[in-house]
Amino acid sequence: GEDVEQSLFLSVREGDSSVINCTYTDSSSTYLYWYKQEPGAGLQLLTYIFSNMDMKQDQRLTVLLNKKDKHLSLRIADTQTGDSAIYFCAESISSSASKIIFGSGTRLSIRP
Amino acid sequence: EPEVTQTPSHQVTQMGQEVILRCVPISNHLYFYWYRQILGQKVEFLVSFYNNEISEKSEIFDDQFSVERPDGSNFTLKIRSTKLEDSAMYFCASSTLAETQYFGPGTRLLVL
Repeated sequence: GEDVEQSLFLSVREGDSSVINCTYTDSSSTYLYWYKQEPGAGLQLLTYIFSNMDMKQDQRLTVLLNKKDKHLSLRIADTQTGDSAIYFCAESISSSASKIIFGSGTRLSIRP
Repeated sequence: EPEVTQTPSHQVTQMGQEVILRCVPISNHLYFYWYRQILGQKVEFLVSFYNNEISEKSEIFDDQFSVERPDGSNFTLKIRSTKLEDSAMYFCASSTLAETQYFGPGTRLLVL
């Protein structure tokens, strides 16, 4: 079945890199996403990667995809207090291009 | 930057009442979606809509739910007779293609 798993919490020191990990089960995933949710706000699309790519970089964000292990990670360089949020890993399935499956979200907190 | 908007931001209703949640998708988008997030749980897909008809719906989307695009801009979710377990944050999303979905800020529904 379709499932996306991620750890619930991550705490990093300001200025360090944050790495949020995610695993998914469906090998027919076409796109994998990272969404950010700040308190009281909606889901902001941060970045996405097509399943035939290994890596995507966008400013401070680096997405790595290991399709063999069905593992996705999001690295945030030079983490700032404004990066405090819940980060959701998500996938869309080629057999059902319209549906996105979300993980539970990783709450990132920043220590001074 | 264009955004998906949703109204109201919060709604409180009595069990058994009908509610209509409203969304204005991004103007050139063709695909529209509703998701919900029960407090402390994952974001769950409810329904997708394309070309004036439902393209996919989940098990959650039973006869109590309906969607409509009454004019060229609004996309609504109606819950006919609300239950306590319908209390959740409801997110609308839209996309030009079926993969990259942009989410609204959500409507928090509380059923008493």
